[in-house]
Amino acid sequence: QKEVEQDPGPLSVPEGAIVSLNCTYSNSAFQYFMWYRQYSRKGPELLMYTYSSGNKEDGRFTAQVDKSSKYISLFIRDSQPSDSATYLCASHSGGYQKVTFGTGTKLQVIP
Amino acid sequence: GAGVSQSPRYKVTKRGQDVALRCDPISGHVSLYWYRQALGQGPEFLTYFNYEAQQDKSGLPNDRFSAERPEGSISTLTIQRTEQRDSAMYRCASSLVGSGMGDEQFFGPGTRLTVL
Repeated sequence: QKEVEQDPGPLSVPEGAIVSLNCTYSNSAFQYFMWYRQYSRKGPELLMYTYSSGNKEDGRFTAQVDKSSKYISLFIRDSQPSDSATYLCASHSGGYQKVTFGTGTKLQVIP
Repeated sequence: GAGVSQSPRYKVTKRGQDVALRCDPISGHVSLYWYRQALGQGPEFLTYFNYEAQQDKSGLPNDRFSAERPEGSISTLTIQRTEQRDSAMYRCASSLVGSGMGDEQFFGPGTRLTVL
């Protein structure tokens, strides 16, 4: 079993829709949770970074962590075609960042 | 400023040959990471450097893989006696400090390795 599990999709939504991306993790030591966005043929870029349980909002993006159920979510409001990319959830336990990534969910936003 | 750079961007080699992949991190970044990313998968941790010290090499698949960062800046990932299963995208990332929340890892464009 992978430490971070993610539905690979692909997920296709119309422009303006609310997108929900989800991951589960198994390592109880994970304290820090991240979402990366990866455009085709590019390296991942950090989108959201949260610590422990709770919500964090940044513009159209909201990251949610529920440590009791080991569940990580990313919500995208008013999705745009430019949001079309692969979204990777990731976690680490602190100290130096040996980050464990999920497989990524490919999102396509249709104009 | 310049981001993380990697060279070569593409490398095709024959089985059994050695390859060396180079990573040039963002200037001043203390921490450097190597990852391997298979198609349709997330990056998989290989090794981590803090300055020139290799702090963790637990992700290196076997002893054919090695990495160095002799002066605490540029790093080289070397794969000896390459095998077809080594074919993947190899990515490097660097971060300013390497610990704590918010210390972002910046990824390079990767080296696509193909072993024939």
